Amino acid sequence: KAGVTQTPRYLIKTRGQQVTLSCSPISGHRSVSWYQQTPGQGLQFLFEYFSETQRNKGNFPGRFSGRQFSNSRSEMNVSTLELGDSALYLCASSTEQTTVSEAFFGQGTRLTVV
Amino acid sequence: GENVEQHPSTLSVQEGDSAVIKCTYSDSASNYFPWYKQELGKRPQLIIDIRSNVGEKKDQRIAVTLNKTAKHFSLHITETQPEDSAVYFCAASFNQFYFGTGTSLTVIP
Repeated sequence: KAGVTQTPRYLIKTRGQQVTLSCSPISGHRSVSWYQQTPGQGLQFLFEYFSETQRNKGNFPGRFSGRQFSNSRSEMNVSTLELGDSALYLCASSTEQTTVSEAFFGQGTRLTVV
Repeated sequence: GENVEQHPSTLSVQEGDSAVIKCTYSDSASNYFPWYKQELGKRPQLIIDIRSNVGEKKDQRIAVTLNKTAKHFSLHITETQPEDSAVYFCAASFNQFYFGTGTSLTVIP
């Protein structure tokens, strides 16, 4: 069974630009959640999608948005990039709602904003 | 919202010794407590988890204990090996995961 796949693995963007990250969950998993990982801050929850609906949202500004498609693949979009958005973005998938069962993480997308 | 504190931030142990990492949480509604291991450059992977109706769970050299009254839970690794070197994250969850800031464990051969 293929694992969680995130694309691209690395991105370099300029301040003010926007970016879209993609996450393909494990086959059969309907829940996808997104996290921002930075040194010293650990893993910060962005949002979770289940069956194309946003179930939960973390404490991030509206520049961060996401969506989930009918095949459970999810995208995350960040508009008007800031230097502080540089981070590793991880997605995780689960069969049920991620927060009560094992979440399987992708390898992440390393975003650098210059 | 929930607040998860994790200590220590770094931990060095001799091979064969035990390692203990502790986390506290603030929201009594949290009912699921997973631990993830993240090796350098790799994705976090679940190593053990515990639910609020259980006080202790063990899987070979790894164990987790949960004290709901005190709102803290701990990861215990016995007979540590160099391959245990990694960053470990605890999390508390009710309707979303709240992660601790991580513990960098180094096992010295």
